[in-house]
Amino acid sequence: EAQVTQNPRYLITVTGKKLTVTCSQNMNHEYMSWYRQDPGLGLRQIYYSMNVEVTDKGDVPEGYKVSRKEKRNFPLILESPSPNQTSLYFCASSSFLAGAFYNEQFFGPGTRLTVL
Amino acid sequence: GESVGLHLPTLSVQEGDNSIINCAYSNSASDYFIWYKQESGKGPQFIIDIRSNMDKRQGQRVTVLLNKTVKHLSLQIAATQPGDSAVYFCAETQLFGNEKLTFGTGTRLTIIP
Repeated sequence: EAQVTQNPRYLITVTGKKLTVTCSQNMNHEYMSWYRQDPGLGLRQIYYSMNVEVTDKGDVPEGYKVSRKEKRNFPLILESPSPNQTSLYFCASSSFLAGAFYNEQFFGPGTRLTVL
Repeated sequence: GESVGLHLPTLSVQEGDNSIINCAYSNSASDYFIWYKQESGKGPQFIIDIRSNMDKRQGQRVTVLLNKTVKHLSLQIAATQPGDSAVYFCAETQLFGNEKLTFGTGTRLTIIP
């Protein structure tokens, strides 16, 4: 089954404790992205990756890191989480089709993170 | 996308009626637009897209209209069903330039049985 998986689905942590949220896709997609979703603000893009070893900042990259060492994985790293990073996080992937990489972007199920 | 706000716009429609969800986008350089549907507890799901060289595109029970002059996008859902109840987001980007995807704040559609 074609899917994007995220782990963990729920996480409660404390300020300053490094954490990683994993994202994996089995569709051989080139493009992967991380979003955060907050009430009333919609989804905001954190980082995206066009392919292996290629990453770029989205609209809200502060406090986050990513890496793309393999095509299928795109982990989101919070080196020193703070309470304002409490949010619902989504990973997504899509393929390039004649340069159009949003041809059906697949989203993962989401990770609800609470930073105390 | 739409300006940031604390309150999610809502739309209630009788089952079987047509619904129209509107979205104003901000970047005149955007040339590719997408509508997503997000059901409770799930990630967004692609519905339909449209490029700026078109002003209308139809899918199954859905139609997207694009008015570049006023930077406005709408999603029409025909013969709504209970399963259409969800939050709907528009998103904008540039296909061959800025690869960022900017979402609107969303509209909550409720179908009344």
